[in-house]
Amino acid sequence: DSGVTQTPKHLITATGQRVTLRCSPRSGDLSVYWYQQSLDQGLQFLIQYYNGEERAKGNILERFSAQQFPDLHSELNLSSLELGDSALYFCASSERQGFTETQYFGPGTRLLVL
Amino acid sequence: AQKITQTQPGMFVQEKEAVTLDCTYDTSDQSYGLFWYKQPSSGEMIFLIYQGSYDEQNATEGRYSLNFQKARKSANLVISASQLGDSAMYFCAMREAQGGSEKLVFGKGMKLTVNP
Repeated sequence: DSGVTQTPKHLITATGQRVTLRCSPRSGDLSVYWYQQSLDQGLQFLIQYYNGEERAKGNILERFSAQQFPDLHSELNLSSLELGDSALYFCASSERQGFTETQYFGPGTRLLVL
Repeated sequence: AQKITQTQPGMFVQEKEAVTLDCTYDTSDQSYGLFWYKQPSSGEMIFLIYQGSYDEQNATEGRYSLNFQKARKSANLVISASQLGDSAMYFCAMREAQGGSEKLVFGKGMKLTVNP
């Protein structure tokens, strides 16, 4: 158990809908990262927050948004869902920033868009 | 450009044998970190081992060790005494110091199957 929690574990929804994925980082970790894992794209970085502020953006679609709250939990909002958004979405956290910091991953949320 | 290359799509190994999983990387940074993660069929990503670019010793964590060859830009994972529970996907990843992004860049992964 990495100490990172994600809810829900599974989500089935329809095209055009909006969903929210939730992540609680490990106790004491200030940095939260979101990744998407799909069969065709592999593991792709979406966005990073550090202590409530957006730190870096990756291949995140405009239909997607995220935020980190004062208690350091984070939410990833996916809207106008398309079939291609079906994927495993991971949240990861690390204590600080820096290239030496290990990112610990949550169990993921498996999203299926029908 | 591909920054992490894992060319072995799949490997089979007998239980209790050692196995090496290959990873090569590409970066112009002098400072970077290399990570290996394991993803069993249940889906979670489990951190295994870390190697820093300035580390003089190869990293070791229990049965896992990293064969780091900086000049060749390779960071191969060695699993000693394979166990059935080692059957999983394995991902090599890199984190660069520059550029302001803290992201991990992952390879495509490789599937390890441990046979009894």
